[in-house]
Amino acid sequence: EAGVAQSPRYKIIEKRQSVAFWCNPISGHATLYWYQQILGQGPKLLIQFQNNGVVDDSQLPKDRFSAERLKGVDSTLKIQPAKLEDSAVYLCASSFLRDPYNEQFFGPGTRLTVL
Amino acid sequence: AQTVTQSQPEMSVQEAETVTLSCTYDTSENNYYLFWYKQPPSRQMILVIRQEAYKQQNATENRFSVNFQKAAKSFSLKISDSQLGDTAMYFCAFMPIPKNTDKLIFGTGTRLQVFP
Repeated sequence: EAGVAQSPRYKIIEKRQSVAFWCNPISGHATLYWYQQILGQGPKLLIQFQNNGVVDDSQLPKDRFSAERLKGVDSTLKIQPAKLEDSAVYLCASSFLRDPYNEQFFGPGTRLTVL
Repeated sequence: AQTVTQSQPEMSVQEAETVTLSCTYDTSENNYYLFWYKQPPSRQMILVIRQEAYKQQNATENRFSVNFQKAAKSFSLKISDSQLGDTAMYFCAFMPIPKNTDKLIFGTGTRLQVFP
């Protein structure tokens, strides 16, 4: 089966600019996650969707970050305006709703550099 | 707060040898899952092995096995017969159950280098 797809793979922007990332989860996976992985750290959950509803966005900096999953499939994560500290790899993951372990399958990530 | 600690930033091992990566965690939960994920240089995170806290038997997946010590809140990963393809970042992760979210709480990772 096809894995989690993300684009772009790399993005370089200047601070105060806007940027958007796209994620297409594995077909049939109702749950979608966005993680932020800063260099030298483990991934940190930003937001979790179940279908098109938000389950957890407690660590999403809502003054500048937004995410949507309008049709319960693809998702976009936006940063506006970007700050230097937003430089990180943004990982998208998905899981099958009825999996008791909720095994998460990760995409390749988008590496964002903010100058 | 729930935290995961990986005290070894880097490890190295010779091909065919055995290496153990350490992980400790802090939680007040009684039931939870623990995971080891592998992140090769291509960045795609892959699940290596998982353990349910209510199971006393240590999980094993081929060359990968864990030593789960619930009382000590320790969850180490043993890689036997190391291969060059095992070179990667390894992350220990925790997920509480019952849960409102399926949030994985990750450690900071251990970079493993396998030498020929």
